[in-house]
Amino acid sequence: GQQLNQSPQSMFIQEGEDVSMNCTSSSIFNTWLWYKQEPGEGPVLLIALYKAGELTSNGRLTAQFGITRKDSFLNISASIPSDVGIYFCAGQPIVGTASKLTFGTGTRLQVTL
Amino acid sequence: DTEVTQTPKHLVMGMTNKKSLKCEQHMGHRAMYWYKQKAKKPPELMFVYSYEKLSINESVPSRFSPECPNSSLLNLHLHALQPEDSALYLCASSQSPVRRDGQYFGPGTRLTVT
Repeated sequence: GQQLNQSPQSMFIQEGEDVSMNCTSSSIFNTWLWYKQEPGEGPVLLIALYKAGELTSNGRLTAQFGITRKDSFLNISASIPSDVGIYFCAGQPIVGTASKLTFGTGTRLQVTL
Repeated sequence: DTEVTQTPKHLVMGMTNKKSLKCEQHMGHRAMYWYKQKAKKPPELMFVYSYEKLSINESVPSRFSPECPNSSLLNLHLHALQPEDSALYLCASSQSPVRRDGQYFGPGTRLTVT
């Protein structure tokens, strides 16, 4: 099925650095979701965005719903070792088919001390 | 509480076995989902249950058979699987199949088919 373009594919950063990743689509989405998945676990919902231009924070995480509704961004400030994992974006197209999420390809984050 | 539980955590089965995966949520969610996830890939949707009725089947082979006994439980019955079916199977739920809100995932069942 369709996947969203997510970049970068992987990141190796030092503890304390800020992280930015983004997700782009050729289609318009009404909702953007950001998940984090650690090895052997299921994805955990971090942030949900519902309006174009919306900026939402969850602790050190900040995500934005792009104005064009075709992209979204996730920033992590002052990274720590427990931020390690794979970050997936996901979009919901229209209300009627809201149950079918389209996932990004994932950004693998590694944090070194 | 946003918890979805899944059992078992790990499952090894032969190609002639019959087994079941179980999922439970007590958040009052009316949509439940089964996903399959291969290593380093995003989850792939298999089935969607909406108000306890199967609403989406993403052309999944019949060796996978979902069941929703009530609004809190979701099962996935497995029979005559192939080695390529080895994967992490994730259950998820959301408040409604039409509302714009997030899906909450369980920890998954790691399935190995020998």
